[in-house]
Amino acid sequence: EVQLVESGGGLVQPGGSLRLSCVVSGFTFSNCGMSWVRQAPGKGLEWVSDISGSGATTYYADSVKGRFTISRDNSRNTLYLQIYNLRAEDTAVYYCAKCPGDYGSCAFDIWGQGTMVTVSS
Amino acid sequence: DIQMTQSPSTLSASVGDRVTITCRASQSISSWLAWYQQKPGKAPNLLIYKASSLESGVPSRFSGSGSGTEFTLTISSLQPDDSATYYCQQYNSYWTFGQGTKVEIK
Repeated sequence: EVQLVESGGGLVQPGGSLRLSCVVSGFTFSNCGMSWVRQAPGKGLEWVSDISGSGATTYYADSVKGRFTISRDNSRNTLYLQIYNLRAEDTAVYYCAKCPGDYGSCAFDIWGQGTMVTVSS
Repeated sequence: DIQMTQSPSTLSASVGDRVTITCRASQSISSWLAWYQQKPGKAPNLLIYKASSLESGVPSRFSGSGSGTEFTLTISSLQPDDSATYYCQQYNSYWTFGQGTKVEIK
């Protein structure tokens, strides 16, 4: 069974940092591009960042460029999102999502359950 | 950036009704469009990819059509379990979601 399990969310003060993790199982991780998508409370979905199967290519939404870093450890079947200088508007559920392959653009066929990040003093 | 606009924002229909949701892209995205269903407190679930391809395991009452800038998601016979929010997503250039359509059962 394909599974994505996020962790690392929590309550953080403005200006703080956090690292989210997404541990995957049930498929060959290195063969798939991966993304992070967030959803603010009561709001819609916002794509945040994407990384290729090898980790060599990364993309970011303009709203997070320079503050978020996506990475992956294929030996540990784990995807990461490092978030710096957190702002109130980063408060959201963060989902990791899987591409069916490693060919750039894709629809996300499997999603994790999400991890909540709350930025507040 | 490509913008995605869904309509309506909410709709209320009866069990058995045919329901259609529209999604418009700000520029052509060919057929690089997906539809997701999201229920409260849950992650989104892929229904349709490449505008009209049904994801494995998704009931056949769901269908998608369109290309270029105009797309539709149709539920042929609305069921109680279809109460959810539906999102379109373009993946022609990076990824962008529509604002969502909440479907309620009368």
